[in-house]
Amino acid sequence: GAGVSQSPSNKVTEKGKDVELRCDPISGHTALYWYRQSLGQGLEFLIYFQGNSAPDKSGLPSDRFSAERTGGSVSTLTIQRTQQEDSAVYLCASTQGPGPYEQYFGPGTRLTVT
Amino acid sequence: GESVGLHLPTLSVQEGDNSIINCAYSNSASDYFIWYKQESGKGPQFIIDIRSNMDKRQGQRVTVLLNKTVKHLSLQIAATQPGDSAVYFCAESHGNKLVFGAGTILRVKS
Repeated sequence: GAGVSQSPSNKVTEKGKDVELRCDPISGHTALYWYRQSLGQGLEFLIYFQGNSAPDKSGLPSDRFSAERTGGSVSTLTIQRTQQEDSAVYLCASTQGPGPYEQYFGPGTRLTVT
Repeated sequence: GESVGLHLPTLSVQEGDNSIINCAYSNSASDYFIWYKQESGKGPQFIIDIRSNMDKRQGQRVTVLLNKTVKHLSLQIAATQPGDSAVYFCAESHGNKLVFGAGTILRVKS
């Protein structure tokens, strides 16, 4: 019964570089969410995947951000040409079925852009 | 309550006392509400949830109260312990998504 895992736990990158963040949801969970949490702030919704449906990308802050989910399981969040304002903790959550109910969160990836 | 910038509201309570954390929500159409606890360096952890057809739900040492008339949600923690120290977030449903408040810091004094 492993929970949601994310890698890396910490990532330091130079401004302008691309980064990839990985999320492994709980096995069998069909829904997957990405959030961003800036220092001392709440969670900002980024993107939502549910089964084979088209993802809800309405929270992505710019076209530098993209995400995919392969085989309905692992997801990768990619940030291209990183900027200092992208520095934050990126959290992934999964749920058993559609809807926002009782999301299980991973530990997050702390991204620092220098 | 909600925060402004980096200044999260802070609730300090004595160990053993009861804590009440409040949250105002915005969407009168929300049908689901949830409280999370987040300790430093960790992801949010589910505490308790409630659907809009209820006004109270109890768990182990926690109670959530929902007042739809004034769009207010509260989390009550009984006999607060040092391990309860964390940031607490409320969230409301917007379709398939959760919209989170900025959080309240709970500090437990021994």
